[in-house]
Parts: sequence; structure tokens; C-alpha cells
Amino acid sequence: GIQVEQSPPDLILQEGANSTLRCNFSDSVNNLQWFHQNPWGQLINLFYIPSGTKQNGRLSATTVATERYSLLYISSSQTTDSGVYFCAVEVFGNEKLTFGTGTRLTIIP
Amino acid sequence: NAGVTQTPKFRVLKTGQSMTLLCAQDMNHEYMYWYRQDPGMGLRLIHYSVGEGTTAKGEVPDGYNVSRLKKQNFLLGLESAAPSQTSVYFCASLRAQGEIYEQFFGPGTRLTVL
Repeated sequence: GIQVEQSPPDLILQEGANSTLRCNFSDSVNNLQWFHQNPWGQLINLFYIPSGTKQNGRLSATTVATERYSLLYISSSQTTDSGVYFCAVEVFGNEKLTFGTGTRLTIIP
Repeated sequence: NAGVTQTPKFRVLKTGQSMTLLCAQDMNHEYMYWYRQDPGMGLRLIHYSVGEGTTAKGEVPDGYNVSRLKKQNFLLGLESAAPSQTSVYFCASLRAQGEIYEQFFGPGTRLTVL
């Protein structure tokens, strides 16, 4: 099956810093999503981004489908950004998402 | 509009006991999913459903059964629980409309099997 690798596995930053999280995948996909799991375990959908670039406030994401990677950018980090960020992909015709193992982000005040 | 809800939130079972986890969504979504999350790992798909009366196996279906008798409910059953099934279980439903493709997750059920 498809392999989804996220880097770095852990990231500790000071409040106000910027960060870039990466997701590499091993096959062509028709769906790529980024999720945030907060420290209480709740999963929130951030972006649906199979290709191109999207922005939502301090967060933006870019997927280069031909090179099989996606990047999530967080600017001016806040403590509420802490948690685990997951990338998930769907192969054409598969009807289901495969998740990466996540990047744990800790923002220090 | 409650979104996706899961019942119960916590449960402790003894090996060999059975239980059913209930997932309910009030968004009229066709697709629903059951995942498990183990420490240090991403979510792994157990079973999913593309509509009322349908179910399909995911990545880790062994030891679980599911049913989708009503569109709004997706049940996950453990017939004979094993310690390896200790995990956090998440249910999700999918909103797919044109350019919008978004999974909504429930709050999770933390299951411990002794």
C-alpha cells in the first residue's frame, strides 16, 4: 500500500516562530488532507489539498502532486497550535485515507 | 447540530468480553469510518461504509465487526475483546461536495482491555 512519511517527528518552538511540516507519499493520490489533533485528542480538518496552495489565517498548505509531497506552514505560532499534525492521503479509487505517523508540535510561551 | 458523537467515551473490558461502540452523525453524510489510534502512531482504518446497508474492510479489520443499518449510525463491535485491542477509537463521517472534501471526527472512545 501507499507509504506516508511525515517530518520532523517532533518540533519544539518558541511562541511567535514559524514552522514547516512536510508530508511525503509514495504513490499518486487524488486526495490529501491535513489534520490537527489537539492535546485533548480532538481531530480537526485543516485543509483538503490534493494539489496547489491554500491559506487559512496563519496556516497555509502546498501540495506538489507531481513530486509527491505536501507542506504545511504555520506562521507566528501560538500555544494553541500545539498538538499533533497528521497528513492523510487517498489513492485513486481507494475510497479511504492512509494517515502518516504525524508531527508533534510543542509551542513554548 | 451535534456533528459526530461517540458512545461511550471510556470503557474497560476483560479479555473475552464483548461490546459495541456507537457512532452517530446528524449531517446526512453517506460515508462513515472507524479508526483506531495507538500511541505514537497515526490513525488506522478498521472498517468503513459508503452508505446505509454497506460496509467494507479497512487496513486492520480482524477482530471487529460493523453495521450500518441506519444512515446516521455506524456501529463497531468487538465480539471477544483482546488486550491488543486496547486503543483509542475514532469515528468519522465525510462531507464530499464539489471542491469540499472534509472528514469530521468524533471525540473518541478510550478502550482498555485487561
